[in-house]
Amino acid sequence: AAGVIQSPRHLIKEKRETATLKCYPIPRHDTVYWYQQGPGQDPQFLISFYEKMQSDKGSIPDRFSAQQFSDYHSELNMSSLELGDSALYFCASSLEGLAGGSSYNEQFFGPGTRLTVL
Amino acid sequence: AQTVTQSQPEMSVQEAETVTLSCTYDTSESDYYLFWYKQPPSRQMILVIRQEAYKQQNATENRFSVNFQKAAKSFSLKISDSQLGDAAMYFCAYRSANNDMRFGAGTRLTVKP
Repeated sequence: AAGVIQSPRHLIKEKRETATLKCYPIPRHDTVYWYQQGPGQDPQFLISFYEKMQSDKGSIPDRFSAQQFSDYHSELNMSSLELGDSALYFCASSLEGLAGGSSYNEQFFGPGTRLTVL
Repeated sequence: AQTVTQSQPEMSVQEAETVTLSCTYDTSESDYYLFWYKQPPSRQMILVIRQEAYKQQNATENRFSVNFQKAAKSFSLKISDSQLGDAAMYFCAYRSANNDMRFGAGTRLTVKP
């Protein structure tokens, strides 16, 4: 079965550079979540989208932005990168359907993108 | 690649009762960590309990305990004396020795008063 795809799997950037992470949800899933997990830390919820609209917002820095496109894939754009942005970034997808993006359904996680900021 | 499977998309428990959430995983590694996270409506991920694979003793945190069966690659979470505040999504997660993380799809726990 198709799973959530994230690209790239690894990314190395310099401070103050920008980065774009991509997430391709499971086909027919309408909701995407982004999480950040720093070294030795718990995952932090950043933001989610349902049907291309932002549905929930967590601890996403102002330097970051995200969107979900018409094909349901999502991109996390990160600017003015800082050393502290080095982390694993996970995307998860789910099918919220008619519940309007607020129900609790299974979230299928991708393998993550490991971002290293030098 | 490691996979984590939570076979129960939804579970419900009566307040003050005990419930067990299942998690199995697949790995060829011997050194790894296992976690249970709770996700309330805020979407915040809260660490409930963790288990180091090299430890035979099951981890316990107050009302939360695990049944870690390494040979069977099973890591279930038992919640005793369930409270209304325990209602949430629960994610099982695996972390390899090189910090590669894998998550299960979650189990939605409902607590009935």
